[in-house]
Amino acid sequence: DSGVTQTPKHLITATGQRVTLRCSPRSGDLSVYWYQQSLDQGLQFLIQYYNGEERAKGNILERFSAQQFPDLHSELNLSSLELGDSALYFCASSRSGMFTDTQYFGPGTRLTVL
Amino acid sequence: DQQVKQNSPSLSVQEGRISILNCDYTNSMFDYFLWYKKYPAEGPTFLISISSIKDKNEDGRFTVFLNKSAKHLSLHIVPSQPGDSAVYFCAARAAGNKLTFGGGTRVLVKP
Repeated sequence: DSGVTQTPKHLITATGQRVTLRCSPRSGDLSVYWYQQSLDQGLQFLIQYYNGEERAKGNILERFSAQQFPDLHSELNLSSLELGDSALYFCASSRSGMFTDTQYFGPGTRLTVL
Repeated sequence: DQQVKQNSPSLSVQEGRISILNCDYTNSMFDYFLWYKKYPAEGPTFLISISSIKDKNEDGRFTVFLNKSAKHLSLHIVPSQPGDSAVYFCAARAAGNKLTFGGGTRVLVKP
């Protein structure tokens, strides 16, 4: 158990819909990262937040957005969903957000778009 | 554009023998490398890392080797155990804290 929690575990929705994935970091960790793992793309970095501010951006689509709240939990919002958005979405957290930090991953949310 | 590649999608090894996992990268700006292990239905777990100023880092049964001139790193697991059966991802980090992952190698350790 990494100490990172993600809800929900599974999500099934239809194309065109919007969903919100939630992540609670390990106690004391200030930085949260979001990743997408799909069958054909491997693990892709989406976005990082540190203490409420966006720190780094990866291959995140414009239809996706994220935020980190004052209590440090984070939400990833996916809108206008397409079939290709079906994937496992992982959240990770680290202590300070510096590049040498180890990232601890949550169990993931499996999103299925029908 | 795959900047981090794990060319072997799978590896099968006998218990007690050495597992060698390879990873190649193209971006010379990467200066920190990590290996993660992932079991089915779980998130990746950090295993071991190495800074680009080193060429070897060891932690118990796990050793990571870095060859900067060849842009190649490898993970050695000695001796391999059945519990090591998992998917292993290498990852590389550049300034800006963006982590780029390889596609993973599935390891099966046979008893």
